[in-house]
Amino acid sequence: QSALTQPRSVSGSPGQSVTISCTGTSADVGAYKYVSWYQHHAGTAPKLIIYDVTKRPSGVPDRFSGSKSGNTASLAISGLQADDEGDYYCLSYGGSWLFGGGTKLTVL
Amino acid sequence: EVQVVESGGGLVQPGGSLRLSCTASGFTFSNFWMQWVRQAPGEGLVWVSRINGDGSSTNYADFVKGRFTFSRDNAKNTVYLQMNSLRGEDTAVYYCARETSGSYFLDYWGQGALVTVSS
Repeated sequence: QSALTQPRSVSGSPGQSVTISCTGTSADVGAYKYVSWYQHHAGTAPKLIIYDVTKRPSGVPDRFSGSKSGNTASLAISGLQADDEGDYYCLSYGGSWLFGGGTKLTVL
Repeated sequence: EVQVVESGGGLVQPGGSLRLSCTASGFTFSNFWMQWVRQAPGEGLVWVSRINGDGSSTNYADFVKGRFTFSRDNAKNTVYLQMNSLRGEDTAVYYCARETSGSYFLDYWGQGALVTVSS
């Protein structure tokens, strides 16, 4: 199976909003509610920020939100802050575990 | 507090073997599936393998099937990834992660162990 499709990079200024898409197929993203998102800074442990498409773990600010339409899931980040900069990955479970290729978020 | 710590990374020649360990704490270890995910230099995260709570069931990505073996010792709160017949393309940071119970996502991760396959 191929990785889920994410934009290679997105950017925004502090205070602005950005959205990162994650496109799969009707066999994975489109079939189940099992889409999660991870924030990753090089050299550190990836951090779960969204699970089951829309849910936020305790401690994750509500500036982070998730959604899904058809075969595409999205992560929205509002009120961008400097420490939001990093890599973001989606993960879908649809009988197998499939990551997106990752998106580098730059805060200008 | 949940903690996940990998160890055992290093430099190995092509065709060689290496065993990674991952020790967890802060939860009832035997109740959870555990996973390995890797990231090659300049690349994204890629799922590698998972193991159930008692070690009786494992799944592998096609590119490691037959070469890697995932096992666990619940008495030591530790999982192991035995990697044989290593190739250059196995060079990566290997992350150990806890798979949540009741859904399908990874809620706690370690900081990773670097494996370099090179002559």
